[in-house]
Amino acid sequence: KNQVEQSPQSLIILEGKNCTLQCNYTVSPFSNLRWYKQDTGRGPVSLTIMTFSENTKSNGRYTATLDADTKQSSLHITASQLSDSASYICVVRPMDSSYKLIFGSGTRLLVRP
Amino acid sequence: GAVVSQHPSRVICKSGTSVKIECRSLDFQATTMFWYRQFPKQSLMLMATSNEGSKATYEQGVEKDKFLINHASLTLSTLTVTSAHPEDSSFYICSASPGKWNTEAFFGQGTRLTVV
Repeated sequence: KNQVEQSPQSLIILEGKNCTLQCNYTVSPFSNLRWYKQDTGRGPVSLTIMTFSENTKSNGRYTATLDADTKQSSLHITASQLSDSASYICVVRPMDSSYKLIFGSGTRLLVRP
Repeated sequence: GAVVSQHPSRVICKSGTSVKIECRSLDFQATTMFWYRQFPKQSLMLMATSNEGSKATYEQGVEKDKFLINHASLTLSTLTVTSAHPEDSSFYICSASPGKWNTEAFFGQGTRLTVV
């Protein structure tokens, strides 16, 4: 069964600190893996998108890595800001014809002053 | 990036009434759009796939007569919650993707539906 699991479920860090969120998936083969940021009461916004052949992708203070051998991805946030407080969702697009996405349950990040 | 606009952002309706939610792709055409439902502190759950010019495909357990989907043009899909009940209160989100393969999905802002 195609699954995407994220850890930790929630995380609290101090402003200015770095953090890393984890995503393990069993989806295979897959077309791409994405990280989204979802603010409370808003729709998800794309941070990074990586194909199976890419190892890393950056977007400002966000850096995603992908290890297709171990089926793991991580999202590293550098110098966290209060506005980084949100849910971060790992999403995998299987390589099939359904166009459906497989969502992780998300990591809720709280950045405190 | 591409923009998907969802309207309204919030709606409160009485039990038994119907509510229509619109999802528009503003700067691209989308033959396929997706409708999700999200419960508090949970991830998105796919409800149905909206196909332009044809019937929507519903996920198992989603009542098609309850959640009517119309995808009449390449830039607009609508979700109508019919005869709404308090248990239909939720956060509804649509997504669309340029091109055919949902390579990169763009999400609407979401609609908070409260049925009283």
